[in-house]
Amino acid sequence: DVKVTQSSRYLVKRTGEKVFLECVQDMDHENMFWYRQDPGLGLRLIYFSYDVKMKEKGDIPEGYSVSREKKERFSLILESASTNQTSMYLCASSPGTGLIRKQFFGPGTRLTVL
Amino acid sequence: ELKVEQNPLFLSMQEGKNYTIYCNYSTTSDRLYWYRQDPGKSLESLFVLLSNGAVKQEGRLMASLDTKARLSTLHITAAVHDLSATYFCAVRETSGSRLTFGEGTQLTVNP
Repeated sequence: DVKVTQSSRYLVKRTGEKVFLECVQDMDHENMFWYRQDPGLGLRLIYFSYDVKMKEKGDIPEGYSVSREKKERFSLILESASTNQTSMYLCASSPGTGLIRKQFFGPGTRLTVL
Repeated sequence: ELKVEQNPLFLSMQEGKNYTIYCNYSTTSDRLYWYRQDPGKSLESLFVLLSNGAVKQEGRLMASLDTKARLSTLHITAAVHDLSATYFCAVRETSGSRLTFGEGTQLTVNP
């Protein structure tokens, strides 16, 4: 089974802090994704990566950056956390080729910025 | 820009009843996915629909895809309490691997 893990289930940070969210997958998937989930808005794509050191902006990249130094690990960085970044953050991975390319999700990190 | 709309967004139904959740999308796509999310949990894959007319069934859930109408349905038969969850459809753009998600349908099945 594909396993996607995220470094923390719950995180509380203060405004202005630098925040790192880590995601690791164990199935050698090429693609990795970061979403945020807010009530009434569904899942919105922040950034994704289709290869090591490659990244693409999603729909809401402002205030975020990412890093992918190794294939299995994709990090989301909040350079200076703000209260409007309080949200559930979900990481996902998928194969880069193949018919289905289903995305597999991690357990999520609920971030609160005070 | 690909847009995905689900309706209804909230659905409260009695056990034993049937109902359908609809997922409309705005541009051509070749893949449609249904996911389930339990409260406080992550997303779990239910179905992947790959072509026009595709139908997949698992237990009391059946999903179908009409690419000409740009519509997918998730039909619930004889609902049970365990089906209470939020259901998302997601559409993949014709090229690439990114998905666009609907807003989700929060289903509550009452005894």
